[in-house]
Amino acid sequence: AQSVTQPDIHITVSEGASLELRCNYSYGATPYLFWYVQSPGQGLQLLLKYFSGDTLVQGIKGFEAEFKRSQSSFNLRKPSVHWSDAAEYFCAVGDFQGAQKLVFGQGTRLTINP
Amino acid sequence: DTAVSQTPKYLVTQMGNDKSIKCEQNLGHDTMYWYKQDSKKFLKIMFSYNNKELIINETVPNRFSPKSPDKAHLNLHINSLELGDSAVYFCASRLSTGELFFGEGSRLTVL
Repeated sequence: AQSVTQPDIHITVSEGASLELRCNYSYGATPYLFWYVQSPGQGLQLLLKYFSGDTLVQGIKGFEAEFKRSQSSFNLRKPSVHWSDAAEYFCAVGDFQGAQKLVFGQGTRLTINP
Repeated sequence: DTAVSQTPKYLVTQMGNDKSIKCEQNLGHDTMYWYKQDSKKFLKIMFSYNNKELIINETVPNRFSPKSPDKAHLNLHINSLELGDSAVYFCASRLSTGELFFGEGSRLTVL
């Protein structure tokens, strides 16, 4: 069965610093991969997705992610974080050949220091 | 226009009561979901419907009963509420390319 691991439960970075959130997945076929962001008290908003093609994908709010098949990873990056980026970030893998669902990682809480 | 809307946003009730959460999407998607987010923020799928037909039921207690009167609506009814049912419940609908659009969530507190 597919699974997603986000090794970092909580990350703190200073405003203006670069950011990388890690995501490792387990899936037998070519994965559909997603990053979502959840601000406090809000629903989940899609940041970016990877289905195929270019392994570096661009998303909203200045985020990008790189798919590395050899490492089963899909890490999220941002060159310079803003205080408004403080939120919970979720990586997910989609199983649309079989069960037609998204499986989420545990989430990484991002705190921004001024 | 809200794409996926859930009501109510907050629900506080006593153990043993029955409650419902409603969800509507105006995106024209065929597939809708209910996810449960626990206190540790973990998101777990509960149910999925495709064009009013149940396609996923992830070992959820049968006190939980989803109902889809049409493909734009997926409601969740919970009988005999327990303390462990306290969580945030998210409705979502799926684009044909796979991504999910989520509602803002319904926070259920069982006292």
